Amino acid sequence: LAKTTQPISMDSYEGQEVNITCSHNNIATNDYITWYQQFPSQGPRFIIQGYKTKVTNEVASLFIPADRKSSTLSLPRVSLSDTAVYYCLVGDRAGRRALTFGSGTRLQVQP
Amino acid sequence: SQTIHQWPATLVQPVGSPLSLECTVEGTSNPNLYWYRQAAGRGLQLLFYSVGIGQISSEVPQNLSASRPQDRQFILSSKKLLLSDSGFYLCAWSLAGGSRETQYFGPGTRLLVL
Repeated sequence: LAKTTQPISMDSYEGQEVNITCSHNNIATNDYITWYQQFPSQGPRFIIQGYKTKVTNEVASLFIPADRKSSTLSLPRVSLSDTAVYYCLVGDRAGRRALTFGSGTRLQVQP
Repeated sequence: SQTIHQWPATLVQPVGSPLSLECTVEGTSNPNLYWYRQAAGRGLQLLFYSVGIGQISSEVPQNLSASRPQDRQFILSSKKLLLSDSGFYLCAWSLAGGSRETQYFGPGTRLLVL
């Protein structure tokens, strides 16, 4: 089971780009990297998923280097509403076991 | 589209009382189902997961149990609640099979045991 390491917290200001890096040194060949966002008193919400190189959607970008031992979630021009906890997970899944959530990164966006 | 429901949204129970939290999923068949618990300010702890009717795997031994009586119904139960059972309980589902595991979470149930 690949373990992930993220910063406990980060601070930013509105309009800035935020990059959150996650380390997963023991990632397996079949593992994908997935990021979730969680607001207080709500369930986590899927943000983005990738296997290698770069993935971009309407919310964020995910950068994965060639060795896949880390990944970086990039949030362009954050707003106050991006204040949340962000979780990085790795897993391959097909019914054998579930993903493991760590403590996540608490992002605080200031005006 | 798929939706996931949990109820109740909030629950206050005395120590020693029973518990039953329900989760249902609509719009998909044979989903993988999960129960998580989140203590205040902490990450999510996986409690149970199920890959099919009657198939339950427990991740953490405790006084909670789970059942899956129907394909899209997942129930979390306890015969006697402890103070330490207080927390935010989340149900999630994912598509069975495949190599990409994306889990979709319900709105959660906040349980306070007094």
